[in-house]
Amino acid sequence: GAGVSQSPRYKVAKRGQDVALRCDPISGHVSLFWYQQALGQGPEFLTYFQNEAQLDKSGLPSDRFFAERPEGSVSTLKIQRTQQEDSAVYLCASSSDRRSTDTQYFGPGTRLTVL
Amino acid sequence: GESVGLHLPTLSVQEGDNSIINCAYSNSASDYFIWYKQESGKGPQFIIDIRSNMDKRQGQRVTVLLNKTVKHLSLQIAATQPGDSAVYFCAEVTQGGSEKLVFGKGTKLTVNP
Repeated sequence: GAGVSQSPRYKVAKRGQDVALRCDPISGHVSLFWYQQALGQGPEFLTYFQNEAQLDKSGLPSDRFFAERPEGSVSTLKIQRTQQEDSAVYLCASSSDRRSTDTQYFGPGTRLTVL
Repeated sequence: GESVGLHLPTLSVQEGDNSIINCAYSNSASDYFIWYKQESGKGPQFIIDIRSNMDKRQGQRVTVLLNKTVKHLSLQIAATQPGDSAVYFCAEVTQGGSEKLVFGKGTKLTVNP
C-alpha cells in the first residue's frame, strides 16, 4: 500500500516568506508526527497529533511554526516569516495507533532552503 | 570553525563482513528503542526494535543488543551488502510521555564491494 507522502519535496523560500508543507499519512493511521532534520544530524521532534488533536507541540522552535490536522488525516506544517535557520528537511511520520511501541513510518521529507 | 554535527561518525567495511554500529542513549527512563536506516534523499526506514525488558533481539541479518546499565545500544549487521550503505540512527521512546522519538547521533556506514 501507499506509504507516507509529503509535498513539495523541495521548497526554496526567500527570507520572510511563509511556507506550507503537506503530509499525507498512511490511511487510517491515528498518530502523526513532524520532525526537523538539520544537515548531518538526526531528526528532532516538532509536534504530535492523535487524530485531529495536537497533543504535544513542545518541539516547535518558535511561534512562527504552526501545525494542524483538522480532519485527522492530512497535516500541514506552516512556517511564517521564514529565517535562514529554518533551512532543514522536514519529515512527517505516522503510526497506526497511539501506543508508544507502534512503528513510526516516515515520509521522504520536504527539503526547505531559505535564502 | 567546524560546526558540530556536520561530521557523522563513519564506519567503512568490506562487503561480506559483519558491521557493528553503536549508540549511547540519553534517558534512563526510556523503555523502547528503535534502529532506523536513512539513505540519501529518503526518510528514515525502520529496521528493528527492542523493548527495555529484553537485552537482545534478532531479525533478518540484524541483531540489536541493549545494555541498560551503561545506556548503550548496538546494531549488528551480518554479511554486510552494498545496499546496507546508509546513515543509521538509534532512537528512544519514553513511555508515559508523548510517543515522540528521540534520535541519537547517526553513523554513516559505507560498504565497499
